[in-house]
Amino acid sequence: SQELEQSPQSLIVQEGKNLTINCTSSKTLYGLYWYKQKYGEGLIFLMMLQKGGEEKSHEKITAKLDEKKQQSSLHITASQPSHAGIYLCGAGGNQGGSEKLVFGKGTKLTVNP
Amino acid sequence: GAGVSQSPSNKVTEKGKDVELRCDPISGHTALYWYRQSLGQGLEFLIYFQGNSAPDKSGLPSDRFSAERTGGSVSTLTIQRTQQEDSAVYLCASSQDRFSRREETQYFGPGTRLLVL
Repeated sequence: SQELEQSPQSLIVQEGKNLTINCTSSKTLYGLYWYKQKYGEGLIFLMMLQKGGEEKSHEKITAKLDEKKQQSSLHITASQPSHAGIYLCGAGGNQGGSEKLVFGKGTKLTVNP
Repeated sequence: GAGVSQSPSNKVTEKGKDVELRCDPISGHTALYWYRQSLGQGLEFLIYFQGNSAPDKSGLPSDRFSAERTGGSVSTLTIQRTQQEDSAVYLCASSQDRFSRREETQYFGPGTRLLVL
């Protein structure tokens, strides 16, 4: 079965700093999702990447998919306290987005003002 | 409503009791998923409903767990004879039809926090 490993497990940065979170899959990635979770809340969809080399941005968050490395990275520029939370990557099967997702264990991000 | 809703938001029960957790998906979404999130285990898939097809139950941890989806909308996850290891956050998600050509994602509800004493 597919497994996703996220690194780092936790990250503490000073406000304004840039940071990167990685997600590495044990198998070929057909679709990679990034979600953010805050304590007491559900998962908030950030981005979905489907094609190798694809890169998407939303506000100050950019995600890339390296198909060959079976890896995705999430980059936050000029971090803010509002970026704090747990970032989860999820991978679907090869039949599109509406499949059961396998998730990494998450990266806990703390942004100190 | 605009998003996926779940109830109750919190549930405390005694070991051995049965519990029912409810999920209201986004209107029009044909796919519905249940996941469990517990410390040390991350987010685990439990069960998946797609339209009128037989559900994918491959993630259910034991026969004490069951789920149904009535009328292709609301779903109920039932845990019988709860055990302390069942304590977790149970998350529900929904998505549009899997055969849609549009970009799809799963939209998650806020979860139900279950504590088994």
